[in-house]
Amino acid sequence: DTGVSQNPRHKITKRGQNVTFRCDPISEHNRLYWYRQTLGQGPEFLTYFQNEAQLEKSRLLSDRFSAERPKGSFSTLEIQRTEQGDSAMYLCASSLTSGANIQYFGAGTRLSVL
Amino acid sequence: GENVEQHPSTLSVQEGDSAVIKCTYSDSASNYFPWYKQELGKRPQLIIDIRSNVGEKKDQRIAVTLNKTAKHFSLHITETQPEDSAVYFCAANRDDKIIFGKGTRLHILP
Repeated sequence: DTGVSQNPRHKITKRGQNVTFRCDPISEHNRLYWYRQTLGQGPEFLTYFQNEAQLEKSRLLSDRFSAERPKGSFSTLEIQRTEQGDSAMYLCASSLTSGANIQYFGAGTRLSVL
Repeated sequence: GENVEQHPSTLSVQEGDSAVIKCTYSDSASNYFPWYKQELGKRPQLIIDIRSNVGEKKDQRIAVTLNKTAKHFSLHITETQPEDSAVYFCAANRDDKIIFGKGTRLHILP
């Protein structure tokens, strides 16, 4: 499978626990994006990386959220001390720097905080 | 920052008829406008896109138009089919960041 891969697909956790999601982008893509999508809404930008550098973070990304892309390949998104309001689909997308910024999405990780 | 408005939120059309979804954006520096289709439980998939130096683009039954002056862009689907039922998102890109509209749920009626 040469598309964007996300794991796990589903995560159920109790409020206050920490969770970590992983995204593996398309192999030659140097840009990687994280979005959050709630029911009935479009994807909301959270943060993005060019190679290993985190270039921008949305104000939606509170200090409980942290994202890394240590080797410029896969990325992780960690949420600490989860809250019920964190329940959402977390989508990852990747693209090439050159040419069109066509972003290809993964299937997402659905987080449910009980 | 960029703001993308999308209308309508829900659209029902008879199979075979056309569907039109309209979006507006706020940042005149946005230069790339993709449209994504998302079926229930699936990932968003790019179906067509347009750049700010083009007014119209067509791909089989799907077309997109862009009016830079008015900051409007629209998706047109002709000869709709049952498999067109999905949520469609417009988006605007500036400085490598894509801002999405809230989506239009398209129902194709038999």
